[in-house]
Amino acid sequence: DQQVKQNSPSLSVQEGRISILNCDYTNSMFDYFLWYKKYPAEGPTFLISISSIKDKNEDGRFTVFLNKSAKHLSLHIVPSQPGDSAVYFCAAIYNFNKFYFGSGTKLNVKP
Amino acid sequence: GAGVSQTPSNKVTEKGKYVELRCDPISGHTALYWYRQSLGQGPEFLIYFQGTGAADDSGLPNDRFFAVRPEGSVSTLKIQRTERGDSAVYLCASSLTSGKDTQYFGPGTRLTVL
Repeated sequence: DQQVKQNSPSLSVQEGRISILNCDYTNSMFDYFLWYKKYPAEGPTFLISISSIKDKNEDGRFTVFLNKSAKHLSLHIVPSQPGDSAVYFCAAIYNFNKFYFGSGTKLNVKP
Repeated sequence: GAGVSQTPSNKVTEKGKYVELRCDPISGHTALYWYRQSLGQGPEFLIYFQGTGAADDSGLPNDRFFAVRPEGSVSTLKIQRTERGDSAVYLCASSLTSGKDTQYFGPGTRLTVL
């Protein structure tokens, strides 16, 4: 049973525009959420996180929004750059140790 | 500094054989995680070590899978009597302590069971 879902396997965006990647979760016990970015043949790298007590966290071009009532989070990238093209995974934690990952969204930013 | 390294990068084996996958975490990181990533899926939690002990092994799929971290640094994931369904990329990650500390992932070991 997948507790973290990314329903869009791929997304294509023009350079300079906004990329919005979405993630839904089912477990209301999750209290911390993260986004990872993955290039081919490399492990995922941490991008940005948010605690469940917040609804927004911003870091440069990256902003994560959390809607607890809808059990939904999103990652906004503005402006999108070709180097942002990668697979993005959202992840959620409760009980400190066990990370649950979504299946990923492949972002393609076209020049 | 050096990141998380995993060896081998690729492993091809025959059904029924035994394999060992190695993870060298970042020096000083006490938490170490193993994940399995199948094609088109996200990483799936297998086991978490805090120091030398397995603090949570609830993700190990069955008793053919076992992992050790005898000195609190290098970890080995061991798979006995491999099956074709074990074919996946096995990822290792480490973090300074645990929980919400940033996890740093290795490049993974791609295991193919023929």
